[in-house]
Amino acid sequence: GAVVSQHPSWVICKSGTSVKIECRSLDFQATTMFWYRQFPKQSLMLMATSNEGSKATYEQGVEKDKFLINHASLTLSTLTVTSAHPEDSSFYICSARVGGIMNTEAFFGQGTRLTVV
Amino acid sequence: AQTVTQSQPEMSVQEAETVTLSCTYDTSENNYYLFWYKQPPSRQMILVIRQEAYKQQNATENRFSVNFQKAAKSFSLKISDSQLGDTAMYFCAFVTLWGAQKLVFGQGTRLTINP
Repeated sequence: GAVVSQHPSWVICKSGTSVKIECRSLDFQATTMFWYRQFPKQSLMLMATSNEGSKATYEQGVEKDKFLINHASLTLSTLTVTSAHPEDSSFYICSARVGGIMNTEAFFGQGTRLTVV
Repeated sequence: AQTVTQSQPEMSVQEAETVTLSCTYDTSENNYYLFWYKQPPSRQMILVIRQEAYKQQNATENRFSVNFQKAAKSFSLKISDSQLGDTAMYFCAFVTLWGAQKLVFGQGTRLTINP
């Protein structure tokens, strides 16, 4: 299957600073990328959907000013957690899809564990 | 809105046994895909099996098979000859062919295979 690389795998940052997480599709062009947040022992919660060259669509309850998403190219989407606080500590996962009605399989990155201290 | 329900938070079986994980979903759509994903302790999401709603035949991938009952909106996963490496969280997921094509996940079932 296709490969999605997420970087970094883990990051520790101080409260009040910003952290950027990258999601790259290595061997295919991803027209759509999704960002999820996962709390311990829980399911994946969709935060936003990003399409290359357009603004991200955020799910209800997700602060768009805190979680900035940029999908600048067909192989790269970034999630920036701005002014991070301890409650933002979580596991963040991206996934990417080729697009089209028959290409519904999503390929996942390995996730990023964010700890805000 | 689509919803996916996994009613078994945890399951545990002995190695080599067969186990079935349950999943039900709710949708008004007619064209969609269903998936089972595995998330081992590494937390990497791994696709286990996929089922197209328009196909009546149940999908099979080696030791993994599904029982897809479209009318009942049920999509269970059967793991035969379970192995220690099958220990993981298993998520049932749903996606429509149209619109934003967002994956909707169930709550997950934590499966433990005991030696």
